[in-house]
Amino acid sequence: AQSVTQLGSHVSVSEGALVLLRCNYSSSVPPYLFWYVQYPNQGLQLLLKYTSAATLVKGINGFEAEFKKSETSFHLTKPSAHMSDAAEYFCAVTLIKAAGNKLTFGGGTRVLVKP
Amino acid sequence: DVKVTQSSRYLVKRTGEKVFLECVQDMDHENMFWYRQDPGLGLRLIYFSYDVKMKEKGDIPEGYSVSREKKERFSLILESASTNQTSMYLCASSLRGLAKVLGEQYFGPGTRLTVT
Repeated sequence: AQSVTQLGSHVSVSEGALVLLRCNYSSSVPPYLFWYVQYPNQGLQLLLKYTSAATLVKGINGFEAEFKKSETSFHLTKPSAHMSDAAEYFCAVTLIKAAGNKLTFGGGTRVLVKP
Repeated sequence: DVKVTQSSRYLVKRTGEKVFLECVQDMDHENMFWYRQDPGLGLRLIYFSYDVKMKEKGDIPEGYSVSREKKERFSLILESASTNQTSMYLCASSLRGLAKVLGEQYFGPGTRLTVT
């Protein structure tokens, strides 16, 4: 079975500062990894995904994530935070042969951006 | 654009009531999912369906059932609502069988259910 751990349920950053959200996974086989974002009063939307091609993955809104197999990590970064990045971010994992393409989500990290 | 709609944004029900949450998607997706979202726990899968009339239990199916009579519609049923089912419920859909879209799920805006 696979699992996902997100370190830090809340992160506060200043506008213009680096955003770093941590995600570690556990999987017995090579996983597919995802970051989803949830803006206030909305459903989740896909930010980016890793599917065993390039280890550095670029997503929407200037976010990127790097897959590190040796560290079982898939941390999300953005060089310069914007006020519009205030949201909750979820890391998720699935297996290639998972029935129904099921996702397993981490607990989420809520990002607060200070002016 | 893929659109997933849920029948209500906010719902207040009494303990013991039967509750129906409806979800409709307009992109002909085979897979549909129901999650509940609670602070600190992320999203937990209740049930999913990969075809009409097909359903599989997720991680927390107890106290819930589902129905999928048409491809575009997936209903979540709380047979006898309890206070511990107060939560945000999210519906999602996805294509099946294509590796390039594996794991890409499209979510509705959620229904915040309060059981008193």
